[in-house]
Amino acid sequence: QKEVEQDPGPLSVPEGAIVSLNCTYSNSAFQYFMWYRQYSRKGPELLMYTYSSGNKEDGRFTAQVDKSSKYISLFIRDSQPSDSATYLCAMSIQGAQKLVFGQGTRLTINP
Amino acid sequence: GAVVSQHPSWVICKSGTSVKIECRSLDFQATTMFWYRQFPKQSLMLMATSNEGSKATYEQGVEKDKFLINHASLTLSTLTVTSAHPEDSSFYICSARATTPVFGPGTRLTVL
Repeated sequence: QKEVEQDPGPLSVPEGAIVSLNCTYSNSAFQYFMWYRQYSRKGPELLMYTYSSGNKEDGRFTAQVDKSSKYISLFIRDSQPSDSATYLCAMSIQGAQKLVFGQGTRLTINP
Repeated sequence: GAVVSQHPSWVICKSGTSVKIECRSLDFQATTMFWYRQFPKQSLMLMATSNEGSKATYEQGVEKDKFLINHASLTLSTLTVTSAHPEDSSFYICSARATTPVFGPGTRLTVL
């Protein structure tokens, strides 16, 4: 079993739809949770960074962490074609800097 | 914001040669940097942790004699792929931690 599980998709939705991306994990020691966006042949770009459980909102993006269920989510509202990319969840243990990544979900927003 | 650069962005080499990839933190100091490898349509896999002034720590299954890491200063880490073979062709990405982990743009290595 992988430490972090993420459905690789692909996921295709129409423009304007709400997108829900999810990851589950097995290591209860993870405390820091991140979502990265990666365009083809580019490095990952940090979208959301959260500590422990709870919600965080930034513009059209909302990140949720449920540590009791070992489940994290990223919601994208009013999705745009420019949101088409691979979305990677990542997490780390408190005090450590190593990130463990999910497989990444390839998302396409259709105009 | 914090920026990490990599050089080169793209390199092609012949089998058996060595290739050096540089990772720089441009506006902050990083005592620790990380090197990842990403194969097509796959996620990032941590290869090694680069520590300024000391030896790198390699993940299980990564050959330390093949992937040489040097972290000579607080803003520069280098990864040298020695005696590269076609199976080493991949996307190599470094990261450093400012207030959050920051990733470089990646280096695409193609070994012929």
